[in-house]
Amino acid sequence: NAGVTQTPKFQVLKTGQSMTLQCAQDMNHNSMYWYRQDPGMGLRLIYYSASEGTTDKGEVPNGYNVSRLNKREFSLRLESAAPSQTSVYFCASRGQGANYGYTFGSGTRLTVV
Amino acid sequence: AQTVTQSQPEMSVQEAETVTLSCTYDTSENNYYLFWYKQPPSRQMILVIRQEAYKQQNATENRFSVNFQKAAKSFSLKISDSQLGDTAMYFCSLVTQGGSEKLVFGKGTKLTVNP
Repeated sequence: NAGVTQTPKFQVLKTGQSMTLQCAQDMNHNSMYWYRQDPGMGLRLIYYSASEGTTDKGEVPNGYNVSRLNKREFSLRLESAAPSQTSVYFCASRGQGANYGYTFGSGTRLTVV
Repeated sequence: AQTVTQSQPEMSVQEAETVTLSCTYDTSENNYYLFWYKQPPSRQMILVIRQEAYKQQNATENRFSVNFQKAAKSFSLKISDSQLGDTAMYFCSLVTQGGSEKLVFGKGTKLTVNP
């Protein structure tokens, strides 16, 4: 099925470990986004990519890096995980024009111990 | 900067009844879109309904409708004939046209439909 695929779905890390969350979309969307969801906080934007080759910081970028590998893929990297990064992470993509709406992946539940 | 406020952290409703979820927003832009997303326990984000700011007519999707008051910057969601499957977190969100078009979310309302 067409959509946004995130891997892994669950992950437990020790403090200081690194990992990369993968995201791929097959809808030929230009824009891709990484959000984190914490209880009582809604979804907050970490980084986004308006087009292949460009990335920009969102509301909460500290502790993260991203790579827009090609039009399909947008990865999120935690270089040195901290307990404050325990969260559910969502990748999303969007077609041309705001009316196209956003398509979300199924999320990654990350726990840092 | 755009902001979205949902003032009801939790709500409950009896099955078959009607419930309204509130949302207010702030933006200085004239062209924007508003959305309601549903997040059931499965965690998947599901688009419920969208409203274009330039349209005066309120959007409807089956049992879901909105009351869009542009001057008051209010965008409430009405769910009619509530069903058990409507139990979920509901997020109000806003995106402005032009630029990076980042989607901004409210903090969510947890809706429970009781049998």
